[in-house]
Amino acid sequence: GAVVSQHPSRVICKSGTSVKIECRSLDFQATTMFWYRQFPKQSLMLMATSNEGSKATYEQGVEKDKFLINHASLTLSTLTVTSAHPEDSSFYICSARFRDYEQYFGPGTRLTVT
Amino acid sequence: SQKIEQNSEALNIQEGKTATLTCNYTNYSPAYLQWYRQDPGRGPVFLLLIRENEKEKRKERLKVTFDTTLKQSLFHITASQPADSATYLCALVRASKIIFGSGTRLSIRP
Repeated sequence: GAVVSQHPSRVICKSGTSVKIECRSLDFQATTMFWYRQFPKQSLMLMATSNEGSKATYEQGVEKDKFLINHASLTLSTLTVTSAHPEDSSFYICSARFRDYEQYFGPGTRLTVT
Repeated sequence: SQKIEQNSEALNIQEGKTATLTCNYTNYSPAYLQWYRQDPGRGPVFLLLIRENEKEKRKERLKVTFDTTLKQSLFHITASQPADSATYLCALVRASKIIFGSGTRLSIRP
């Protein structure tokens, strides 16, 4: 149980285009999901907290207009990177809160902006 | 500011020995501390959670200790195996927010 999926696993896009990443909790309902970014050999940095049916809460320094988050249902949250640039290339990981403070992570999405 | 340090960036252990990883933190009072395993190109996998009022927790070959006075957690893998090779992250939890350490890359040599 407690499986989280992400789609796509890898995406390459041209600079200036937008990319949408989906995060799904497959066997449980998640009112809260989280989006992280991870650069090589660095730790996960929380970007935003996504709550079902309400606006996401962004961490300091994260541009909400650039990283659009939608948590439309109890099993799906999406992250859209708008007008992507090469510096947005990174490993994006979502997680869903299962119970207490247990979070289950998706397998990640490798974004490369050329 | 809050800081989490995982002392070793990398640790090399002989198969069968006990691997011990350290997590220290400052300027923080976590309600929980968690340990995760992360393989290259994958998301972290939850291993263990220990609460602030617990001293020790075990799960199969894993053991975690939590000393809120020292502000330190130790993570032990006994009878280590090459399949245990991965990066291990500690994470502090308070007010629904998780802050991750930078991880320790553990290699178990046969």
